[in-house]
Amino acid sequence: GENVEQHPSTLSVQEGDSAVIKCTYSDSASNYFPWYKQELGKGPQLIIDIRSNVGEKKDQRIAVTLNKTAKHFSLHITETQPEDSAVYFCAASGIDKLIFGTGTRLQVFP
Amino acid sequence: EPEVTQTPSHQVTQMGQEVILRCVPISNHLYFYWYRQILGQKVEFLVSFYNNEISEKSEIFDDQFSVERPDGSNFTLKIRSTKLEDSAMYFCATEGNEQFFGPGTRLTVL
Repeated sequence: GENVEQHPSTLSVQEGDSAVIKCTYSDSASNYFPWYKQELGKGPQLIIDIRSNVGEKKDQRIAVTLNKTAKHFSLHITETQPEDSAVYFCAASGIDKLIFGTGTRLQVFP
Repeated sequence: EPEVTQTPSHQVTQMGQEVILRCVPISNHLYFYWYRQILGQKVEFLVSFYNNEISEKSEIFDDQFSVERPDGSNFTLKIRSTKLEDSAMYFCATEGNEQFFGPGTRLTVL
């Protein structure tokens, strides 16, 4: 069935460093790849997304890259700040439902 | 900024009881979803709803679950006879071009 794998499960970085989270997906029909940030006790918050017709998208300190041939996509956060600390989920979608990865707990130490 | 709202924020119920979780979608969105997240795990798709009918459901969404949009605004998830393993966060999501999630309802089944 459809599956999304995400690595690493935890990531600790020093404030100001970069963080990279990687995901792979199994369904070649997937064409939409959002990333969500989830803070404790809250719902997932969309932070950036990419569709299959582009290879890279950037929004200030956050960027996402997509390699459709290899079926993987990555989230890049530069100049990390303590408020970036949260759980990050990647997801993949074909027609409608989102298939989520297992999440990455990012900790940014001041 | 428009947002998805959910009520209640926390529901405690006895095993075997019925619960109804409510969601108010973003007003011009046409696609509605329910997801659940067991504590510490990834977000899992339950059901998608479009044009007043279910468009897709997962294997989790068995005969004990139902959804409806009774008054054209609220979108509800009903669990007829709750089980201990139904304890989780339940998220409503609505979609225009992207899926936006509500803050969730924490369901605790005792």
